[in-house]
Amino acid sequence: NAGVTQTPKFQVLKTGQSMTLQCAQDMNHNSMYWYRQDPGMGLRLIYYSASEGTTDKGEVPNGYNVSRLNKREFSLRLESAAPSQTSVYFCASSSRDSGTEAFFGQGTRLTVV
Amino acid sequence: GNSVTQMEGPVTLSEEAFLTINCTYTATGYPSLFWYVQYPGEGLQLLLKATKADDKGSNKGFEATYRKETTSFHLEKGSVQVSDSAVYFCALGMDSSYKLIFGSGTRLLVRP
Repeated sequence: NAGVTQTPKFQVLKTGQSMTLQCAQDMNHNSMYWYRQDPGMGLRLIYYSASEGTTDKGEVPNGYNVSRLNKREFSLRLESAAPSQTSVYFCASSSRDSGTEAFFGQGTRLTVV
Repeated sequence: GNSVTQMEGPVTLSEEAFLTINCTYTATGYPSLFWYVQYPGEGLQLLLKATKADDKGSNKGFEATYRKETTSFHLEKGSVQVSDSAVYFCALGMDSSYKLIFGSGTRLLVRP
């Protein structure tokens, strides 16, 4: 039972480079999320997708774009990476049946130099 | 708006000590409340939850009671182990929204 799978686990980018973080879930959940985790700040929501075909901004969307490719997959794109985007990124999913309980991936540690 | 406030860490305890991590929340309506745990190098895992006032969530010896009158959901464990060393996050979720709102996390270090 894979749950939520994120790739890659680690990435180093130069300022201005672009990359896409991939996320897939096999729990048939409707909702998916991207969070970033920074020291002392907990998890902050970047974007979420309440259902297939919809996406919405969260608390800190600037500098990011997302695509809900299908029900399973939700990707996060950095078009022009900045050092302020150095963080650990987590993908999560949930469904109405799980009572808003979210299931998380293992995280992607991104460093922008 | 909705928010969660946790006690700052790190919290350092000796093995078998009693643990309390405070969590208070602000919400319009009736949220569900959660405690998540993050072990080193891993993602977050649900530890316990409560969906309505006076509910008690429990798991692995940890407990938390949903107190509407004090808007709190404090995490407790009677006797911690070294293996409990992790970061603990309090969170709230509203049925009307799909989003979870997290506290800043509390690092727990348990020494042998």
